[in-house]
Amino acid sequence: AQSVTQLGSHVSVSEGALVLLRCNYSSSVPPYLFWYVQYPNQGLQLLLKYTSAATLVKGINGFEAEFKKSETSFHLTKPSAHMSDAAEYFCAVSDPGGFKTIFGAGTRLFVKA
Amino acid sequence: NAGVTQTPKFRVLKTGQSMTLLCAQDMNHEYMYWYRQDPGMGLRLIHYSVGEGTTAKGEVPDGYNVSRLKKQNFLLGLESAAPSQTSVYFCASSTESGTTGYTFGSGTRLTVV
Repeated sequence: AQSVTQLGSHVSVSEGALVLLRCNYSSSVPPYLFWYVQYPNQGLQLLLKYTSAATLVKGINGFEAEFKKSETSFHLTKPSAHMSDAAEYFCAVSDPGGFKTIFGAGTRLFVKA
Repeated sequence: NAGVTQTPKFRVLKTGQSMTLLCAQDMNHEYMYWYRQDPGMGLRLIHYSVGEGTTAKGEVPDGYNVSRLKKQNFLLGLESAAPSQTSVYFCASSTESGTTGYTFGSGTRLTVV
């Protein structure tokens, strides 16, 4: 069975600081991994995805994530936080070709001026 | 704009009332899903469909029914609403390959009193 764990329900950073949101997964087969972002009162929007190509994937708004098989991790980073990055972020895992995606509980990112 | 449209956006029901949530997508996606989002619990899959005329149960199907009579529409029904069904409901769609991630609607906020 697949699962995903997001470490930290809340993360607070200062504007301009590094953003690091942690995600660990469990999967019996090579997974597909995703990060989604949810702004207040909106649906989830795909930020980036790993589907067995390059292990370092770049997404929208300057975010990137690295797939580390040995650590079963897919952490999300951004070098310099912006106020507009304040949102909730969800890590998700599915098996290749699998149509049922498992979502983490989410991490809310706060950005301080 | 192409995407997933949910109606209504907000609804208040009395316990025991029924209602139908409508989801429509114009991307010719084969797969469609209904999730509920509750604080601290991430997204939980209610029902899903892998094609027109098909439906299947997800993680939390009790108290809900669905229908997919047309490929572009996926309906979620509550026959007898309960306060425990107070939540935000999201519809999503995806391609068969699973590599593109999900496209989400903007959600329906349902309160059962």
